[in-house]
Amino acid sequence: AQSVDQPDAHVTLSEGASLELRCSYSYSAAPYLFWYVQYPGQSLQFLLKYITGDTVVKGTKGFEAEFRKSNSSFNLKKSPAHWSDSAKYFCALEATGGNNKLTFGQGTVLSVIP
Amino acid sequence: GALVYQYPRRTICKSGTSMRMECQAVGFQATSVAWYRQSPQKTFELIALSTVNSAIKYEQNFTQEKFPISHPNLSFSSMTVLNAYLEDRGLYLCGASSQNTLYFGAGTRLSVL
Repeated sequence: AQSVDQPDAHVTLSEGASLELRCSYSYSAAPYLFWYVQYPGQSLQFLLKYITGDTVVKGTKGFEAEFRKSNSSFNLKKSPAHWSDSAKYFCALEATGGNNKLTFGQGTVLSVIP
Repeated sequence: GALVYQYPRRTICKSGTSMRMECQAVGFQATSVAWYRQSPQKTFELIALSTVNSAIKYEQNFTQEKFPISHPNLSFSSMTVLNAYLEDRGLYLCGASSQNTLYFGAGTRLSVL
């Protein structure tokens, strides 16, 4: 069975600072990894994904994430952060083979102070 | 990106009654549709994964008897919450698959009185 851990329930930083949201996973094979964002009162929006190849993937809204197999992590990064980035971010894992069955982390609420 | 329409956006039902929600993929063929629920203060739980021309697979704690799903073609899926009770409230999302990525609809927020 696979699992995803987002250890930080809340992250607060000032506008202009660099943000990094942590995500680690547990899975026995090579995973597909995703980041989604949920703005207040809204659904999930796709940000980026890692399937294979280059371990740094770039997504929408200026975000990027780095897959590190050595420590089973897939942290989300952006610099500089903007107040409009305030939202809840979810990391998700899909088992190898693309079966469309996502396991989500608990989410991290990001607050960017203007 | 791919567009997924989901409706209704919000619904309120009396305890013990049922409600149906629909999901429409626009501009692409969704070979798979996944239904998730986000209960208050929780993350997203997979209810079931529906693939056209295959049996619908329900996750543990979710059953066809409670959450029947119809997925008749590559652009449409519906799910019903039967005999809804307080523990069924939350945001229900459908995700339609396109190029190894699930794109989600706006969700149906279910309140139960």
